[in-house]
Amino acid sequence: EAQVTQNPRYLITVTGKKLTVTCSQNMNHEYMSWYRQDPGLGLRQIYYSMNVEVTDKGDVPEGYKVSRKEKRNFPLILESPSPNQTSLYFCASSNSFYYYEQYFGPGTRLTVT
Amino acid sequence: AQSVTQLGSHVSVSEGALVLLRCNYSSSVPPYLFWYVQYPNQGLQLLLKYTSAATLVKGINGFEAEFKKSETSFHLTKPSAHMSDAAEYFCAVSDRSSASKIIFGSGTRLSIRP
Repeated sequence: EAQVTQNPRYLITVTGKKLTVTCSQNMNHEYMSWYRQDPGLGLRQIYYSMNVEVTDKGDVPEGYKVSRKEKRNFPLILESPSPNQTSLYFCASSNSFYYYEQYFGPGTRLTVT
Repeated sequence: AQSVTQLGSHVSVSEGALVLLRCNYSSSVPPYLFWYVQYPNQGLQLLLKYTSAATLVKGINGFEAEFKKSETSFHLTKPSAHMSDAAEYFCAVSDRSSASKIIFGSGTRLSIRP
């Protein structure tokens, strides 16, 4: 089954404790992206990757890091989480021709206290 | 810069009634336009897309949207609402020259009354 998986689905952590949210897709997609969803703000892009070893900032990259060492994986790293990073996070992927037809993961709800 | 505005954060209609969700965009050139749907506790999925052909676009589950350049609008409609249509709907815009950027609206939550 074609899918995007994220782990963990739910995470409660404390300020300053480094964490990683994993994202994996099995569709051989070149393009992958991370979004955060906040009430009243819709989805905002954090980082995206056009292919292996190619990443770029989205609209709200501050406080986040990403890497793309393999085509299927695109982890999101919070080196020192803060309460304003409490949000619902989505990973998405698509192929390079139809980049707008993005397949979304189920989401990771992060709470930073 | 591109932007998209969804009018109404919450829309409630009766089952069987017309669904109309409004979306206006701001772009210097005709963009690509999309509607995504998010069911409770799930990720988003593409409902329909406008990429330059017919201005009336049909999507899944009986939804359709019409691109109106003169009004810079891309409203989503469905003639007869079903209970299963209850979800959050996002309008999104993308620049034809950028292969990476999709701007999402703030979303409209659709509720269906029995």
